[in-house]
Amino acid sequence: DAGVIQSPRHEVTEMGQEVTLRCKPISGHNSLFWYRQTMMRGLELLIYFNNNVPIDDSGMPEDRFSAKMPNASFSTLKIQPSEPRDSAVYFCASRMDTSSGNTIYFGEGSWLTVV
Amino acid sequence: AQKVTQAQTEISVVEKEDVTLDCVYETRDTTYYLFWYKQPPSGELVFLIRRNSFDEQNEISGRYSWNFQKSTSSFNFTITASQVVDSAVYFCALSEDNTGNQFYFGTGTSLTVIP
Repeated sequence: DAGVIQSPRHEVTEMGQEVTLRCKPISGHNSLFWYRQTMMRGLELLIYFNNNVPIDDSGMPEDRFSAKMPNASFSTLKIQPSEPRDSAVYFCASRMDTSSGNTIYFGEGSWLTVV
Repeated sequence: AQKVTQAQTEISVVEKEDVTLDCVYETRDTTYYLFWYKQPPSGELVFLIRRNSFDEQNEISGRYSWNFQKSTSSFNFTITASQVVDSAVYFCALSEDNTGNQFYFGTGTSLTVIP
C-alpha cells in the first residue's frame, strides 16, 4: 500500500514568494496532520484535520500560513508570503482515527528553503 | 513541562556495541500510548513500535528491544549489536486518550554508530 505522499520533496524559493506544499494521506485514513521540523524547535504540530475538518490549528505560526483539506485524499499547506525563517522540513502524516492510540504515519517530508 | 523527555541529545557507539536510548514521559491519563520513530539521514520518519499503557510486557524485534516501566514512566529502547545503518535520530512520542489528536514528541536522540 502507498504511504503518505508529499510534494514537492525539495523547494527553494525567494523570500516573498508563495509556497504550496501538497499531501496525499494513506487511503482510508481520516486524520491528517501537518508538522514542521527545525533544529531549534524540533517537531511542531501545525494543524490537524479530522474527516477533512480542521480541528486544531493552534500550532499555525501566523496568518501567512494556511491549510486546506478539500477532500479525504488531498491537503495543502500554503505559506504566503514566505520568509527565510520558514525554512524547515514540513511533514504530512495521517492516521486511522478510531483511537488516539493509532499510529501516525509520516510522509517523506518537504524540504523548504527560503532565501 | 515536557511531556516526553529524551535526555540524551547525542550518542556515539562503536559498531557491535549495545546502546540504550532513554525516554521518560509524563501523563495523568491511565490510558495512553507510547511510540518510537526513527529518522535516518535521508530524513523520513519511520514508525518502529507502539505500546499501550496496559501492556508492560517488554518487546523484542530482532536487534531492537523496548523496556516499558510504568513505575518510572520510562519507555527505553535498546539496540543490540549496533550497526552503521542504525545511525539516525530516534524520537519517542506519547499520545494520551483524552487529547487524541496530539502526539507529544521528545526532542530526539541522535545516534551515530562508528564502524
